Amino acid sequence: AQSVTQPDIHITVSEGASLELRCNYSYGATPYLFWYVQSPGQGLQLLLKYFSGDTLVQGIKGFEAEFKRSQSSFNLRKPSVHWSDAAEYFCAVGGHSGGGADGLTFGKGTHLIIQP
Amino acid sequence: AAGVIQSPRHLIKEKRETATLKCYPIPRHDTVYWYQQGPGQDPQFLISFYEKMQSDKGSIPDRFSAQQFSDYHSELNMSSLELGDSALYFCASSLGRGGTEAFFGQGTRLTVV
Repeated sequence: AQSVTQPDIHITVSEGASLELRCNYSYGATPYLFWYVQSPGQGLQLLLKYFSGDTLVQGIKGFEAEFKRSQSSFNLRKPSVHWSDAAEYFCAVGGHSGGGADGLTFGKGTHLIIQP
Repeated sequence: AAGVIQSPRHLIKEKRETATLKCYPIPRHDTVYWYQQGPGQDPQFLISFYEKMQSDKGSIPDRFSAQQFSDYHSELNMSSLELGDSALYFCASSLGRGGTEAFFGQGTRLTVV
């Protein structure tokens, strides 16, 4: 069965500092990996996705993530965070059909707090 | 740009009642997915439809049913509601099922009292 682990429930970062959110996955085949962001009371917005090819993927809002098969990881990074980045971040794996959101398994999420 | 529309945004029901949640996908999107997110929890996949046929099934209770109509909108029907059904229900849509991005709606918050 597929699973996702986000080891950090909460992370606090100073505005302007760099950020890395960790994600480890378990999947029987080549995974399709996603990072979503959720602001309070809002829906899920896709930041970036990895299906194949270049293991460093660029997303929206200045985010990037690197797929490391040997470590079963897909960590999210941003060189300099802004106060507006404060939100809940979810890593997800799956996509039986190779895309979309079929059968996505989400991690428990990481709550990002930005300090002034 | 048009987004995924879910209605209602908020719903309060009593135990053992029924509820119907609606999802209107982005125009031309033919695939719809339903997720349930309990308080402080991660979203759990319930069910998906492609071209009006069920394409994948997750942890959807037998008390729940869903369908996709000819105009591609979808409805999630929930019967014999329980307190534990209180959650945020998300719908997402995509064009096709292979290698495409799914866009999520803002969700319907269901409270069962």
